[in-house]
Amino acid sequence: ETGVTQTPRHLVMGMTNKKSLKCEQHLGHNAMYWYKQSAKKPLELMFVYSLEERVENNSVPSRFSPECPNSSHLFLHLHTLQPEDSALYLCASSEEEGYYEQYFGPGTRLTVT
Amino acid sequence: GEDVEQSLFLSVREGDSSVINCTYTDSSSTYLYWYKQEPGAGLQLLTYIFSNMDMKQDQRLTVLLNKKDKHLSLRIADTQTGDSAIYFCADNSNSGYALNFGKGTSLLVTP
Repeated sequence: ETGVTQTPRHLVMGMTNKKSLKCEQHLGHNAMYWYKQSAKKPLELMFVYSLEERVENNSVPSRFSPECPNSSHLFLHLHTLQPEDSALYLCASSEEEGYYEQYFGPGTRLTVT
Repeated sequence: GEDVEQSLFLSVREGDSSVINCTYTDSSSTYLYWYKQEPGAGLQLLTYIFSNMDMKQDQRLTVLLNKKDKHLSLRIADTQTGDSAIYFCADNSNSGYALNFGKGTSLLVTP
């Protein structure tokens, strides 16, 4: 059991929709991450939060908007996405930011039509 | 972060050893990692090695690090069909905040 859960597991949305991805970690960690996994490309780090403060925003388009209301929950709000945003979105957590043993959730498979 | 490179595919027979290779470019990396991703799942940490070590063994897994050549390998002894997955090499050169991953190597184990 990973200790990091993500919902929904699958999402299909149109380009004009607004949706949110949710991540929850039950490990008592202080840092949380969003990654994008596209076919044949390395995992791309999108956002890093440490103690609910955003510490890294890796040049991600503004159509992706993260929210971290507390150290256990992380959201990724999506609006006016493009078909090339279709990917697997992975959430991860670690004890502290920069503590490199990361625990990953199963991901949300997003398809933008 | 700097580049982490891996070959994309590897196929082995059940019972044989598998060797997955990785090269990295950032010599400031202090830790190097191997993660495993099974179908429909997130990444799971398999093992890691500190940069001042050249080998680490953990049951069926052996990690070899050649720091001079910036080459990392993962050897899986007695490979089983359950080892079929994507294996990611990663270093900690990504601005210190998170890991820098390769594209992953798909390992297929055939009976």
